[in-house]
Amino acid sequence: DARVTQTPRHKVTEMGQEVTMRCQPILGHNTVFWYRQTMMQGLELLAYFRNRAPLDDSGMPKDRFSAEMPDATLATLKIQPSEPRDSAVYFCASGPLLNTEAFFGQGTRLTVV
Amino acid sequence: QQQVKQSPQSLIVQKGGISIINCAYENTAFDYFPWYQQFPGKGPALLIAIRPDVSEKKEGRFTISFNKSAKQFSLHIMDSQPGDSATYFCAASTDTDKLIFGTGTRLQVFP
Repeated sequence: DARVTQTPRHKVTEMGQEVTMRCQPILGHNTVFWYRQTMMQGLELLAYFRNRAPLDDSGMPKDRFSAEMPDATLATLKIQPSEPRDSAVYFCASGPLLNTEAFFGQGTRLTVV
Repeated sequence: QQQVKQSPQSLIVQKGGISIINCAYENTAFDYFPWYQQFPGKGPALLIAIRPDVSEKKEGRFTISFNKSAKQFSLHIMDSQPGDSATYFCAASTDTDKLIFGTGTRLQVFP
């Protein structure tokens, strides 16, 4: 049963701490997206990759957020330092190609206190 | 240009009724228009999608209507059921670019 796996599912951290969220895309998918979901903003695209190369990270606050794909089976989203306004659910999604179905993980619920 | 505008923000429908959610876009290069369904605590999942070469696509109780000239598309849920209660997102993309989501519609279907 192929699925996108995100860890951790929940994270509570103190302001100023580093947070790393991980995503294992579906094997064979070459497109990976990071979205952030809040009640106010809906689903915001933070960054996306194709064949592990970043195509667009214009949605990310560059001073504190970074996204990488160290290999084809792992994507990471890092926040350093974290702030209370970063509290949200972060979703990773993968797809076989752009312009086709994106498969979402269960999300990481981040709370920064 | 890259936005997808979705309405209404929330919708309450009685069981058996028709739920209609609308989306509008500006970028005429968009050529893939999916709808995603999200239940609480879960990630969005693809419900149904359409490409602009057809004006309508139906899958069970779910239908997408697409109006290319008006740059609008809508989701119709026939015979709405309490199990359809979820948040629905429309989206759009081109063949070389990212998937852009609408702001979401929270649907509640009451028995």
